[in-house]
Amino acid sequence: DIQMTQSPSSLSASVGDRVTITCRASQSISSYLNWYQQKPGKAPKLLIYAAFNLQTGVPSRFSGSGSGTDFTLTISSLQPEDFATYYCQQSYSAPRTFGQGTKLEIK
Amino acid sequence: QVQLVQSGAEVKKPGSSVNVSCKASGGTFSSYAISWVRQAPGQGLEWMGGIIPIFGTGNYAQKFQGRVTITADESTSTAYMEVSSLRYEDTAVYYCARDMGLSHAMDYWGQGTLVTVSS
Repeated sequence: DIQMTQSPSSLSASVGDRVTITCRASQSISSYLNWYQQKPGKAPKLLIYAAFNLQTGVPSRFSGSGSGTDFTLTISSLQPEDFATYYCQQSYSAPRTFGQGTKLEIK
Repeated sequence: QVQLVQSGAEVKKPGSSVNVSCKASGGTFSSYAISWVRQAPGQGLEWMGGIIPIFGTGNYAQKFQGRVTITADESTSTAYMEVSSLRYEDTAVYYCARDMGLSHAMDYWGQGTLVTVSS
């Protein structure tokens, strides 16, 4: 199975900050990397697919980059509604493993 | 607009089975894969397996092979996931989600079904 490792596991930031979350795959996954946002008690929401494509309706302050084994999710200017847990997921091969999550908290 | 509506919460005894349904509306059901993802309390997301309804054969994470069965009924646009030989550690919220295409990202999700395994 492909292992996905996110860092950091948790992060404190303020409204307006620029935040970057990284995700590393245990082997090359080309650009088959997706990012999800999850708020407590809710289903995950797709933010970015295929490494850098913004899902319809997602604000442009979210962006993704990377290929191969190293990927990043960047939020350019944090808004109050962005405080949540973020997961990366590889869709290169089954099982489609997730990272362990990054909890973004208000400083 | 695609919607996935899952069946309600379940409480099951260890060793029993549970069947969770996921009814799709607003899109083409047969040609998109449906995945099942679970989340234990306070934990992360775990992909369990999936199915493309038009092909009818589920594929599974090895961890769940033999204990999880995923099926789909094209006539009712409903996917099902059965977990047998339930253990306490199967207590989780189970989600269905639709693959959006070539990227295999999951763009639409059900609301989640809480399965509690308790004696």
